[in-house]
Amino acid sequence: GQQVMQIPQYQHVQEGEDFTTYCNSSTTLSNIQWYKQRPGGHPVFLIQLVKSGEVKKQKRLTFQFGEAKKNSSLHITATQTTDVGTYFCAGLRNFNKFYFGSGTKLNVKP
Amino acid sequence: SQTIHQWPATLVQPVGSPLSLECTVEGTSNPNLYWYRQAAGRGLQLLFYSVGIGQISSEVPQNLSASRPQDRQFILSSKKLLLSDSGFYLCAWSHRDRTGELFFGEGSRLTVL
Repeated sequence: GQQVMQIPQYQHVQEGEDFTTYCNSSTTLSNIQWYKQRPGGHPVFLIQLVKSGEVKKQKRLTFQFGEAKKNSSLHITATQTTDVGTYFCAGLRNFNKFYFGSGTKLNVKP
Repeated sequence: SQTIHQWPATLVQPVGSPLSLECTVEGTSNPNLYWYRQAAGRGLQLLFYSVGIGQISSEVPQNLSASRPQDRQFILSSKKLLLSDSGFYLCAWSHRDRTGELFFGEGSRLTVL
């Protein structure tokens, strides 16, 4: 079954504050992906991490993949109202089967 | 460029009625195809997965079924809908020959009354 856990479920921040969401798997992942879903929309791919301990940055977003390839995090520095949405991690275990975390819904107050 | 089309976008169905959601992909060949369901305010649950025509893998027991009659066509069906089938259904595809991102359709919002 799907065993990718994600916390927190909700996060409310003031614009300018930082935000972090965490993803944990009970088994080793081949890779992990992050997606963003705007309210009423569909998930859109942000990034993929493959290597143990990998860190990638996209402007204010920093993505990390744990050394054991069982956990990952997404950190947003100085949030903006455009960051509002739900952030999902998706772990790849079996060939090309992606299991999504429950998502973290981010609300940013202007 | 590749595109994915999913329809209908919204539907309201009575309990016990049949369901058919359709998804087509253009601009690529031999894609992996997926059906996900998202309950209100929840995560994405993988329902079905297909690597080729007629090849369907079911992830969870349920009263839904999927079919892939053509390489780039994926259909989600039910003979009799339940209230618990309400949700946001998302079709997605990925490249067959490499591990990469999932490309999602716009989604179909199903309300069963």
